[in-house]
Amino acid sequence: GAVVSQHPSWVICKSGTSVKIECRSLDFQATTMFWYRQFPKQSLMLMATSNEGSKATYEQGVEKDKFLINHASLTLSTLTVTSAHPEDSSFYICSARDTERANVLTFGAGSRLTVL
Amino acid sequence: QKEVEQDPGPLSVPEGAIVSLNCTYSNSAFQYFMWYRQYSRKGPELLMYTYSSGNKEDGRFTAQVDKSSKYISLFIRDSQPSDSATYLCALTGGFKTIFGAGTRLFVKA
Repeated sequence: GAVVSQHPSWVICKSGTSVKIECRSLDFQATTMFWYRQFPKQSLMLMATSNEGSKATYEQGVEKDKFLINHASLTLSTLTVTSAHPEDSSFYICSARDTERANVLTFGAGSRLTVL
Repeated sequence: QKEVEQDPGPLSVPEGAIVSLNCTYSNSAFQYFMWYRQYSRKGPELLMYTYSSGNKEDGRFTAQVDKSSKYISLFIRDSQPSDSATYLCALTGGFKTIFGAGTRLFVKA
């Protein structure tokens, strides 16, 4: 089945630094990937839709300059949290549509970001 | 009204019990219905998906969809402590996927 790899699984950084999270589709091509944020005991909040070769589409209220998304290839999307602050601490998860099951999303394992 | 309603629980059951998890939705445009399981600090993993009304069974899991009532269910038979997780329903219509809030399930040994 489709596998999505997400790295790093956890990261701790100082306030003001930038952090990059990678999302890779390992055995399929993903023209579209999705980035979510999840707070403890809450459901997934869609942040943006990442489109290969074009600009990402951000959900209302999500700062595009704060959360930079790059989808330069059919197997890789990256999320960069710029000038991170403690309030950016969260669990970030990516997903991609499984091309064999076109309407099913396959998720990465998630990345836990802690900003000190 | 939210597009998808799901009771967040928590739901606590003894080992071996039959668990029923449910979601209701309001938009009849949703065509695909999925259930994901999410363990703490992990990404969601797909359990089952279906696109038609009726039942779909996979081992101890049964997904049920009633499009006329806009109601979907996931049944877990012979529940195990390892089933303790958060279960999210997800509905897709066109290019849009909406997730329920997730139900936290605890299965006690």
